[in-house]
Amino acid sequence: DAGVTQSPTHLIKTRGQQVTLRCSPKSGHDTVSWYQQALGQGPQFIFQYYEEEERQRGNFPDRFSGHQFPNYSSELNVNALLLGDSALYLCASSLSGGTYEQYFGPGTRLTVT
Amino acid sequence: GQSLEQPSEVTAVEGAIVQINCTYQTSGFYGLSWYQQHDGGAPTFLSYNALDGLEETGRFSSFLSRSDSYGYLLLQELQMKDSASYFCAVRDRNSGYSTLTFGKGTMLLVSP
Repeated sequence: DAGVTQSPTHLIKTRGQQVTLRCSPKSGHDTVSWYQQALGQGPQFIFQYYEEEERQRGNFPDRFSGHQFPNYSSELNVNALLLGDSALYLCASSLSGGTYEQYFGPGTRLTVT
Repeated sequence: GQSLEQPSEVTAVEGAIVQINCTYQTSGFYGLSWYQQHDGGAPTFLSYNALDGLEETGRFSSFLSRSDSYGYLLLQELQMKDSASYFCAVRDRNSGYSTLTFGKGTMLLVSP
């Protein structure tokens, strides 16, 4: 039973560029949440997707957008990258209905130079 | 808004017991979760408390007092592999029923 997978593992981008991160949820899970984790901080909620729609959004600008596909996998897009976007981006999957247990992927380490 | 407070770092020796506290301020509280994260790794779920009291899972226990907006994670018989960051996280009406708001984490250092 595959857990949550994310790609790529690491990414280096330049300010102003755009990036797409990918996530495949744990088998049987239909809800995907994205988090940003800066160094030495806790994960910060970006948004959550369910049934291919954004169900909940945290305090992040519109430069951050996402998508969920019919197979429940998801993408996170960030436009006009800033140095401050450098962080570990975590994807977490769960079952619909709001279960308390989220399963996290290993993350994508994004460095913006 | 929400806020969670937990110590930034705790140190202990192998075989000891350590308690990591978490206080929170939020509205429409649903429950408190604990996650473990080894350096550079994925956070992994440890426990969840929705009601007052103690939940025990092996060497780890978690406690919640809703009236005090306080919880703690208790780790017994510490092992070197327990060295990691530990996060408390709340589910509440603000963040949504199925999303989490995390604290800044407590780094636990276990020495021989």
